[in-house]
Amino acid sequence: QVQLQESGPGLVKPSETLSLTCTVSGGSISGYYWSWIRQLPGKGPEWIAYIYSSGSTNYNPSLKSRVTISVDTSNNQFSLRLRSVTAADTAVYSCARIITGAVAFDLWGQGTVVTVSS
Amino acid sequence: QSALTQPPSASGSPGQSVTISCTGTSSDVGAYNFVSWYQQHPGKAPKLMIYEVSKRPSGVPDRFSGSKSGNTASLTVSGLQTEDEADYYCTSFAGSNNWLLFGGGTKLTVL
Repeated sequence: QVQLQESGPGLVKPSETLSLTCTVSGGSISGYYWSWIRQLPGKGPEWIAYIYSSGSTNYNPSLKSRVTISVDTSNNQFSLRLRSVTAADTAVYSCARIITGAVAFDLWGQGTVVTVSS
Repeated sequence: QSALTQPPSASGSPGQSVTISCTGTSSDVGAYNFVSWYQQHPGKAPKLMIYEVSKRPSGVPDRFSGSKSGNTASLTVSGLQTEDEADYYCTSFAGSNNWLLFGGGTKLTVL
């Protein structure tokens, strides 16, 4: 079955760029919308961005100035870049698939902890 | 402060029913029938339990049901089982710009 796996550094220095990749296995990335979500410590999750396999995107307005989401269909991956990070960006970052025609996530990765610290 | 308000905790005994609320505004929960609920066990990925207010994905027991009234959505778990003990999060569509809001989560304890 289709599985998602996040990968990337677990530690990022303040002011640098957080980069994560989500690899989709067991199925094609094409024809779906894909998203990044994060959960800050002690808080509820926060939607970051989504991308369609063709490349169209939408971003959370609160993060839009610092975030880029991209897709690599040849490698069945999509990625997140968050610039100028601070300690407030420390969180568990998860990737997920959006149900076609709905506003819901039917598949999630396990999540990866990213700590921003010098 | 999460955009959608959920009670931090809820509890019930095996076999009982419990309802978890998710309160938004007339710009999100009240405006659209795009409320979803997720179950998350510790260390596990979230699992979609309800979408579009009351639809159940394949494989989700019919003990889980969703509803909405005004700006508040609800998840009801009937016939509580020990494996239902988990964190539950709601989400709501909030328009093409904000797109999706999350609740802060409710820890369900099965006594």
